[in-house]
Amino acid sequence: DAKTTQPPSMDCAEGRAANLPCNHSTISGNEYVYWYRQIHSQGPQYIIHGLKNNETNEMASLIITEDRKSSTLILPHATLRDTAVYYCIALYSSASKIIFGSGTRLSIRP
Amino acid sequence: DADVTQTPRNRITKTGKRIMLECSQTKGHDRMYWYRQDPGLGLQLIYYSFDVKDINKGEISDGYSVSRQAQAKFSLSLESAIPNQTALYFCATSVGTGGQETQYFGPGTRLLVL
Repeated sequence: DAKTTQPPSMDCAEGRAANLPCNHSTISGNEYVYWYRQIHSQGPQYIIHGLKNNETNEMASLIITEDRKSSTLILPHATLRDTAVYYCIALYSSASKIIFGSGTRLSIRP
Repeated sequence: DADVTQTPRNRITKTGKRIMLECSQTKGHDRMYWYRQDPGLGLQLIYYSFDVKDINKGEISDGYSVSRQAQAKFSLSLESAIPNQTALYFCATSVGTGGQETQYFGPGTRLLVL
């Protein structure tokens, strides 16, 4: 699996869009980019994933650069409940294991 | 009802004791995982299983063992618990379809080894 790099922490004002970056410069052509989040010691929660195209669901949007070396998770209208650690992972389903790094701790300020 | 359940949710034990953490899932997934998380850190993979007859070591398997009793059950054992195994433990399941795989996590077991 490709290694991913994320900033250790970020903050965002409530109601604004939160943009979380992730670098995955060694990603291979068949690896997907996944995002999970963990809210205060709860089990991590799946958010979204994508391969090449931008993706959107009810939780977030995922923007992947054309060269696929980086991506951005967008929470369009951040709320206090979005305070969590966000993990970016690159993997292919036949990969033997999924490795979580240290993630980005997102703080939402009122 | 939760799709992935873990028992117990909290456990205090003493150094040298053998303990077992249990995980059950109703999602019908073949793949199951055990992770540990230390305060302020990411998840580290302990063991994983792609089906009932498949068991694999993860990054930090020393001091742990697992048993896949059935598709729905994956247990983690600490043969002789030590204080640095104090951590939050998560079980997860996943299914891979068409080159994509999403993991579903249990609520976690908080373990304290005295």
